Parts: sequence; structure tokens; C-alpha cells
Amino acid sequence: GQSLEQPSEVTAVEGAIVQINCTYQTSGFYGLSWYQQHDGGAPTFLSYNALDGLEETGRFSSFLSRSDSYGYLLLQELQMKDSASYFCAVRGPSGGSYIPTFGRGTSLIVHP
Amino acid sequence: DGGITQSPKYLFRKEGQNVTLSCEQNLNHDAMYWYRQDPGQGLRLIYYSQIVNDFQKGDIAEGYSVSREKKESFPLTVTSAQKNPTAFYLCASSVGETTHEQFFGPGTRLTVL
Repeated sequence: GQSLEQPSEVTAVEGAIVQINCTYQTSGFYGLSWYQQHDGGAPTFLSYNALDGLEETGRFSSFLSRSDSYGYLLLQELQMKDSASYFCAVRGPSGGSYIPTFGRGTSLIVHP
Repeated sequence: DGGITQSPKYLFRKEGQNVTLSCEQNLNHDAMYWYRQDPGQGLRLIYYSQIVNDFQKGDIAEGYSVSREKKESFPLTVTSAQKNPTAFYLCASSVGETTHEQFFGPGTRLTVL
């Protein structure tokens, strides 16, 4: 099976940079994804890493180290609207399929 | 507009009643998923379907059932056997089972009284 660990909460001030870490255990690795979810809303896809290194999308970047089973999401120039929960997710083999497993989520609180 | 719809947004049921949650997508995606989310928790996979007329149990399938008679539709039934059904239920789809990006519906918040 798969399991993921991420911090339960991170706080930062507007304009700052914050990093949300994620460590995973999986019997087969097919990439690390990140999702954002505002309170009461649906998760939305942010980024995906299949290979080691940094992927940048605007203010958001995601990093992966497969040898360390570790990744992080980096949010720059924080805005109040970035206050949300952030989930990392992996796909791993299960019974001939590749099922997704999500972490418990990190609640990001951005202060003015 | 393409997307996933779930209805209703809020649902109340009495204990012991079965209830069916709707999920429809017009993205032409093959794979569909049902997740349960409890307060402060991540998303836990209930059932998933890779193709029409086929579905598999996820991590917490007990007390739930699904069907996939049409590509666009993947309804979830919460049965009376589910011990603690009050939760936020999210439906998602992806192009295929190995596709990393999932598209989520707005969710249904089920409260069992």
C-alpha cells in the first residue's frame, strides 16, 4: 500500500515564501501530485512530479527527490487567498490497478 | 462547459436509510472515483472505476456500493451497513487510471440524523 506524511498546519505572512513537505512510502512510484482545497470546496490540481527536480508554475513550485521519497510544494509571494488545505498524493499499484492515495493535508494559514 | 456535477450539495437522511449520491461528468473520462473526507482528514478512496461496467473497492468500501452503467455516471449508494456515514463525499474523474490529474466535483455533504 501507500502512505504519506505531511505537516498538519503551516502559518505564514502575506508576501512570504512557505514550503509544505511530503514524505511517502509506496511499493511502486508513479509520481507525486499536489492539490489545493479551500474550505467546503473541491480539491483542484496544482502540480505533478514524475522525475526528480523542480517544476515551476507561476507562484507555485513543486520538488521531488525519489531517492529520499520526499517532495515539497513551494508557494511564493503568499496572498490571503492561498489560505487553504494542500494535499500531496501518489499513485501506487494495487491489484493490477494504480490507485491514488492522499495525505491528510496541510492547512496553510496566511496572516496579513 | 465540461466538468463534474454532484447532487445534491447537502443531504440529510435518517439512520438506517440507504441514500444514493449522484455523480455525472461530461469530460469523456474513462476513470471515476469516490472519496470520503472527514474533518481534518485527507481523502480516502471508497470505490473507483476504470471503465464502464467495471469497478473496484478502494480502502474503505464497506457499507458502500456503486454502479458504472454509463461512462458519464458513477452513483454511490451509502447503505445502512455503513456505521458512520456522516461525511463530505467527493467524486472525481481522470482521463485514465494512470493519469495523474483528477478533476473533482463540488461534493455532497451527507448528514445522517
